[in-house]
Amino acid sequence: NAGVTQTPKFQVLKTGQSMTLQCAQDMNHEYMSWYRQDPGMGLRLIHYSVGAGITDQGEVPNGYNVSRSTTEDFPLRLLSAAPSQTSVYFCASSIDRNQPQHFGDGTRLSIL
Amino acid sequence: DQQVKQNSPSLSVQEGRISILNCDYTNSMFDYFLWYKKYPAEGPTFLISISSIKDKNEDGRFTVFLNKSAKHLSLHIVPSQPGDSAVYFCAASATGGTSYGKLTFGQGTILTVHP
Repeated sequence: NAGVTQTPKFQVLKTGQSMTLQCAQDMNHEYMSWYRQDPGMGLRLIHYSVGAGITDQGEVPNGYNVSRSTTEDFPLRLLSAAPSQTSVYFCASSIDRNQPQHFGDGTRLSIL
Repeated sequence: DQQVKQNSPSLSVQEGRISILNCDYTNSMFDYFLWYKKYPAEGPTFLISISSIKDKNEDGRFTVFLNKSAKHLSLHIVPSQPGDSAVYFCAASATGGTSYGKLTFGQGTILTVHP
């Protein structure tokens, strides 16, 4: 039982490049979410999903896309990377939105 | 607008003593509160939660207190151990309305427990 797995752990991009951050969970959780953590600001919700085929925006969605084609996977896409998107990204999942979330170990992303 | 605030960036405590971490919130719709613990290079780990129908919840050395009128919650760790040294985040959500289930986090407090 791996829990929530995020790949890659580290990534450096150039401004304007696109990439996908992967997130997979093996706990059959319906609720999945993406956060970014910046110094002094805690974690902020980017996008979330309450089940396969259903996604919605969080607090800071601009510049990011998500899709949820399966229960297990919830990838986060950066369409055109900007230096302001330099951050640590965390994926999380829970049985439903009112249960504590399990977090992956994060992806540290630097945009040059 | 920071809806969840942890006003102490850091806290230093001696091993065996009590650690008290504080959190304030402004959104009166929040009715479910959680504490997470985070070690470097790892994701946050759920510690303890409390719903607004209670004012206290205990789990071993960890107790969370909720004061709804003051919009304040606190986490007590007794006794503190060096392994408790980590960043602690409080988080809040609403179990209804447009913010249903969306977690809002505080900025975190770095706890250091000295042997």
